[in-house]
Amino acid sequence: DQQVKQNSPSLSVQEGRISILNCDYTNSMFDYFLWYKKYPAEGPTFLISISSIKDKNEDGRFTVFLNKSAKHLSLHIVPSQPGDSAVYFCAARQGGKLIFGQGTELSVKP
Amino acid sequence: EPEVTQTPSHQVTQMGQEVILRCVPISNHLYFYWYRQILGQKVEFLVSFYNNEISEKSEIFDDQFSVERPDGSNFTLKIRSTKLEDSAMYFCASAGGPRLTNEKLFFGSGTQLSVL
Repeated sequence: DQQVKQNSPSLSVQEGRISILNCDYTNSMFDYFLWYKKYPAEGPTFLISISSIKDKNEDGRFTVFLNKSAKHLSLHIVPSQPGDSAVYFCAARQGGKLIFGQGTELSVKP
Repeated sequence: EPEVTQTPSHQVTQMGQEVILRCVPISNHLYFYWYRQILGQKVEFLVSFYNNEISEKSEIFDDQFSVERPDGSNFTLKIRSTKLEDSAMYFCASAGGPRLTNEKLFFGSGTQLSVL
């Protein structure tokens, strides 16, 4: 039962370019979407979120876009930096819990 | 910056033994959670806890699991009789500060549980 899916297990981007991470979901009852970043041996760290009533939220180099009709969200990182290299998890809130995607490993090369 | 603290960072146990994983959530938070990640798989919800009781639990959280907030600061996860398939990284999280929002969870660094 994969309600939140990240179909790309990995992404490699050149430093300074845009990174676009994608996420699809199936449940239209999700009311909040979040992106978390995870380094090895650490817990997920909150990055940015978006309410289901919005279609865009921006915070510095990070922008999240929500397309409700397509049940799709994406995270844009501009410009990408080597320190952004990590696993990025998309998550959706259902009631009191978060449902996570499988994660996409981003590698930003200098 | 306040953070969620988990101990121990690694726990090795024999199958059938009881383990207790400990967490100190962020002090003014009201919602507490346990998640786990089996190697190579996604982060999975186990249980949420609010107002001194379980508010939601997943099908993974069976009778072998229990949670407790024994005092004002600690939040524990107990596995009564561990199985090999319980081997995973267990993450504690907390949310819901003064504005009582719970969509943004703060995670600890995790306890890597290895059941032999």
